[in-house]
Amino acid sequence: DQQVKQNSPSLSVQEGRISILNCDYTNSMFDYFLWYKKYPAEGPTFLISISSIKDKNEDGRFTVFLNKSAKHLSLHIVPSQPGDSAVYFCAASGRSNFGNEKLTFGTGTRLTIIP
Amino acid sequence: DTEVTQTPKHLVMGMTNKKSLKCEQHMGHRAMYWYKQKAKKPPELMFVYSYEKLSINESVPSRFSPECPNSSLLNLHLHALQPEDSALYLCASSQDKWDRGIYGYTFGSGTRLTVV
Repeated sequence: DQQVKQNSPSLSVQEGRISILNCDYTNSMFDYFLWYKKYPAEGPTFLISISSIKDKNEDGRFTVFLNKSAKHLSLHIVPSQPGDSAVYFCAASGRSNFGNEKLTFGTGTRLTIIP
Repeated sequence: DTEVTQTPKHLVMGMTNKKSLKCEQHMGHRAMYWYKQKAKKPPELMFVYSYEKLSINESVPSRFSPECPNSSLLNLHLHALQPEDSALYLCASSQDKWDRGIYGYTFGSGTRLTVV
């Protein structure tokens, strides 16, 4: 039972354009969401997070949007750069007394930025 | 120091061997984690340690035995593994187990384990 889903296994975007990565979740007990970036042979690196009390969080080129009613979040990268080519994981954690000690990861989306 | 260091980076072991994976952090984090990642799959939680005490064991087989000797070190002892245990083993840390990764877990680069 995959509670956090990334339905696009891969995405190719032209350099300078916007990259949009999507994530859906099924469990309404999740209330904190994070995006991680992973290069081959390295561990995931934290990018940006959002609490369920917000619908947007921005950090430089990265913006995460949360639509609680649709149980959907997205990561926008603009402008996309070649160094952004990596696998991106969406992750979620739950409220106190429900899984807030761990992250549940999505299956990942491989982003390729085309020069 | 903002890193989580894992050793070794690669490990090949037979099914009768005993080996250990090591993880070290010096960020003062009081929660440490072991995750397992198979190819093309998301990382899956194995164990959570909080203030050097085991907090969560995600029904991991006993052939995996975690140990937290102090607040900076986390070990994973391996014994009698099966070929299907071959995976990338990731260690992570966070300020404490309740911060819900708000500041993001810091992951190590992982140990690529192959069981033959």
